[in-house]
Parts: sequence; structure tokens; C-alpha cells
Amino acid sequence: EADIYQTPRYLVIGTGKKITLECSQTMGHDKMYWYQQDPGMELHLIHYSYGVNSTEKGDLSSESTVSRIRTEHFPLTLESARPSHTSQYLCASSVRRSTDTQYFGPGTRLTVL
Amino acid sequence: AQKITQTQPGMFVQEKEAVTLDCTYDTSDQSYGLFWYKQPSSGEMIFLIYQGSYDEQNATEGRYSLNFQKARKSANLVISASQLGDSAMYFCAMTQRGSNYKLTFGKGTLLTVNP
Repeated sequence: EADIYQTPRYLVIGTGKKITLECSQTMGHDKMYWYQQDPGMELHLIHYSYGVNSTEKGDLSSESTVSRIRTEHFPLTLESARPSHTSQYLCASSVRRSTDTQYFGPGTRLTVL
Repeated sequence: AQKITQTQPGMFVQEKEAVTLDCTYDTSDQSYGLFWYKQPSSGEMIFLIYQGSYDEQNATEGRYSLNFQKARKSANLVISASQLGDSAMYFCAMTQRGSNYKLTFGKGTLLTVNP
């Protein structure tokens, strides 16, 4: 079982607002990830981090940014939300072991009006 | 580049019966890992089972087993004795050493268990 948390679970906001999606884990995992998923579709990696002060862009281009100041915390920020950002955002973490299994948080469903 | 293919957009199964969800993969790396995740309508991704490329035996976790056929590059998920709570989207995913263990997902299969 993994302890990884995301807030808020649901967010409806207007165009142009700045938002931050929170993700935290209590397992001391080095690696953390953000995925974007449209309804009924596959997940796409948008950001990842292999440790404090380390962040990289994923396979899917995203206007969001991330930071990793503490091991347990990996927030995602959108400076100016648009309707095209409407999606589900899933955070995950893993530890460097033989399987490197990623464990996911419950997700944030974002709707931008 | 790695690629995951799930050819079944939707599957139906009767309660208490077994079902196989197909997954094929494409990679040039010799070291890779294969995963299955379950995503209920609530949206969270639940890890089910893992198979390493060097594992000689098929992975099993309770009612879940992974039918790993390396030569065919297939990693099918078998769910035995289906339950109503198994109704969900199921995603096959892969990591490989050459991509720093980043997960690549298939498009998923929506499983519906009928009473």
C-alpha cells in the first residue's frame, strides 16, 4: 500500500486563474511523477522528478510547471488556466528498487470554464 | 521507442468466470518491466501486478496472473473468478532501463462484469 495524497480532488475554476495542484507522499520515495489523462484515455507523463531540486519535462508537452523543494512534496502549477487544461491530473511516486513500481494518488479532476 | 498495444477497447464477462485482457509490447531493450493497473470510475490508479523481463515464472497476485510470453512480446492479464467490483478500466504499462524507467501506458480495456 502506498500513501500518496492529492488535493483538491475536484476543482472548477474560470479561465485565467492561477492554480496549484498539491501532491505529497509519506514513503520517502525519491521519484515522483505527474500524468495527465483525458476521460477514457491513456495516461501521459508531463513532469517527473528523481529527487530534491530535480525536475524534468515528460513526453507530453504541458504549460504547467513543477517544483521539488522537499522529498515528500511535488506541486504542479498552472499560471493561467485555460479550457484546454481540463483533464484529470494524477501524481505518482516510486523508489529505486528492482521493480520501481509507481504508486498513484487519487487524482485531481480539473475543469476550466 | 517503447509501445504498448491493448486491442480490446471493451470486454464483458459473467460474474465468477475468468477473463483475459490482452497486451502486447514493443521494445528493443533487454531489461524492462511490465505492469497492470486498474482504474475504477472513481479515477485512482491501482497497481495490480508486475512482471520483469528476466522473470522466468509468470507473476501471480491473488486472483490476478500475468501470462508472459516473451518471444511473442505479450503480457496478458488473467482475472480468475470475476467479481462485480472488477468492473473498471485496465491499463497495461511498461518501463525500460533505456528510458530511465518511465512508464508508458496502453490505451486501456474497459471490463464490465455482468451478474
